[in-house]
Amino acid sequence: EPEVTQTPSHQVTQMGQEVILRCVPISNHLYFYWYRQILGQKVEFLVSFYNNEISEKSEIFDDQFSVERPDGSNFTLKIRSTKLEDSAMYFCASSEMGESNTEAFFGQGTRLTVV
Amino acid sequence: GENVEQHPSTLSVQEGDSAVIKCTYSDSASNYFPWYKQELGKRPQLIIDIRSNVGEKKDQRIAVTLNKTAKHFSLHITETQPEDSAVYFCAASGYNFNKFYFGSGTKLNVKP
Repeated sequence: EPEVTQTPSHQVTQMGQEVILRCVPISNHLYFYWYRQILGQKVEFLVSFYNNEISEKSEIFDDQFSVERPDGSNFTLKIRSTKLEDSAMYFCASSEMGESNTEAFFGQGTRLTVV
Repeated sequence: GENVEQHPSTLSVQEGDSAVIKCTYSDSASNYFPWYKQELGKRPQLIIDIRSNVGEKKDQRIAVTLNKTAKHFSLHITETQPEDSAVYFCAASGYNFNKFYFGSGTKLNVKP
């Protein structure tokens, strides 16, 4: 079964540093998402990406964040100048977005720890 | 924007009993409602979903009901087993599926 894959599984970074979280969505999917989950809290929407541009973003997704699809397979989330409160599990997801194929498949997550 | 509320936050049941988790949503334009199961340290995985043109959907021991008028939907698990223990999240999405709003999660503990 196809899967969304994310790398790395765990990233530790110093406060103020930049991090890039990488995702390979399922190949025939058209919608890509980034979510985050602070430990013990709900899954929060960050951004969605469709047709090579941001479709929607939440208030969390400020100028510190950016997304990119640098090639036909990767989808990245960049966090500039990380803060302690950016520590969370970051999930990438993708969806085929057909009339009968709306499930969002999640990757296994990248645990980001900012120290 | 959409707001999804989920109750209860924790639920403990005896093996074999039923479990019910309830969610409400605020945006009448939402029309797709998935339920995800997340085991400790793992990714959320879809277990069942329902669209707004359907009132109920069942898949073996799992069922979801939707009341569009009242804007609430529920997950029902019958004959619970210890492996059902996990955190369950409801979610809502609109027509263009460009984002999913998640509930706060319910930690289900099934006691053997």
